Amino acid sequence: GAVVSQHPSRVICKSGTSVKIECRSLDFQATTMFWYRQFPKQSLMLMATSNEGSKATYEQGVEKDKFLINHASLTLSTLTVTSAHPEDSSFYICSARNPGHLNTEAFFGQGTRLTVV
Amino acid sequence: AQSVTQLGSHVSVSEGALVLLRCNYSSSVPPYLFWYVQYPNQGLQLLLKYTSAATLVKGINGFEAEFKKSETSFHLTKPSAHMSDAAEYFCAVSGNSGNTPLVFGKGTRLSVIA
Repeated sequence: GAVVSQHPSRVICKSGTSVKIECRSLDFQATTMFWYRQFPKQSLMLMATSNEGSKATYEQGVEKDKFLINHASLTLSTLTVTSAHPEDSSFYICSARNPGHLNTEAFFGQGTRLTVV
Repeated sequence: AQSVTQLGSHVSVSEGALVLLRCNYSSSVPPYLFWYVQYPNQGLQLLLKYTSAATLVKGINGFEAEFKKSETSFHLTKPSAHMSDAAEYFCAVSGNSGNTPLVFGKGTRLSVIA
């Protein structure tokens, strides 16, 4: 079946540095990918919708200058957390749906545990 | 607009007992509905999905869910809980476009007691 691969699974960075997370769709071309953030014991919060070849659409309250999204190809979207601070520590998950099927489920990456120290 | 309500943030059952996780949805279009499971520090794995075919949907690991339009419900059940079922479960609803994100409920944490 379709697979979405996310890398890295875990990263620790120093405050003030930037971190890039990659999300790849392995079995289909994803014109749209989704980035979520998940706090401990909570549901997924949609951060933004990544659109291939155009600007991402950010949800209300998400800083687009803090969370840079690039979707340069049909199989790769990246999320860069810029000038990271401890409050950015969280679990980030990407997702993609196969646009060729209207009733398709969303496929999720393995998630990235970001810890900013 | 679509939304999902999961009743009960935490459900605890004994091993071998029936598992029932509740999900009610609201949708302005015929819904597609999904149940996902999440284990600690992992992404989400699809358990099953309803796509307007059979109202009783069977999924992986012995789980099933029944779509009831009159009750706007899509409850998840399993006849006999295993210890390995302990996880977080999310119900989600989608519109009819493959380019829109799923809308998730707040999740229900299932604990299984030996």
